[in-house]
Amino acid sequence: AQTVTQSQPEMSVQEAETVTLSCTYDTSESNYYLFWYKQPPSRQMILVIRQEAYKQQNATENRFSVNFQKAAKSFSLKISDSQLGDTAMYFCSNFGNEKLTFGTGTRLTIIP
Amino acid sequence: DAGVIQSPRHEVTEMGQEVTLRCKPISGHNSLFWYRQTMMRGLELLIYFNNNVPIDDSGMPEDRFSAKMPNASFSTLKIQPSEPRDSAVYFCASRRDRGRHGELFFGEGSRLTVL
Repeated sequence: AQTVTQSQPEMSVQEAETVTLSCTYDTSESNYYLFWYKQPPSRQMILVIRQEAYKQQNATENRFSVNFQKAAKSFSLKISDSQLGDTAMYFCSNFGNEKLTFGTGTRLTIIP
Repeated sequence: DAGVIQSPRHEVTEMGQEVTLRCKPISGHNSLFWYRQTMMRGLELLIYFNNNVPIDDSGMPEDRFSAKMPNASFSTLKIQPSEPRDSAVYFCASRRDRGRHGELFFGEGSRLTVL
């Protein structure tokens, strides 16, 4: 069975600062993918960043990057130069065995 | 390209009524997923299809829920009879190429309120 744990229900940070969202997971799959999805108030689920478990290099997408620690089963998201539009729920998720399992989410608020 | 299209966006109904939620996946995608989102339980996978065939329905809460995918471009999630505890946002998502990458593309969700 797959599990995803996000231990920070809420976070807030000043605009332009850097923030890190934590995520740990558990899986019995040897080949899997990890994602961070963003859900703004519009409730649309938007993919932020993807990490393939067999790649050691951490994924980066503009201001978003991950710290993937496979042995520790940790997958944190770092947002640099945070912007007001980054305010949203962020969900960590694990794709394995053809299914995507989500964590409970972290509500991130960017303060002007 | 059009994204995943869900209807209705909002549905308010009374307990005991039948509810049908609809989804049109992205053309060319061969896997389709139904998720339910509530404050208490977060995002739960209800069922997923591959090539129109239900693969795993272990997340379907009970017999009141049923899902169909008659063809590659359409799926329904039906609740009959509906109950107040079914109130949630229901998301449909689709994906291309089973076994690759895993990225799901989500619709905008259908918010269901059962009074």
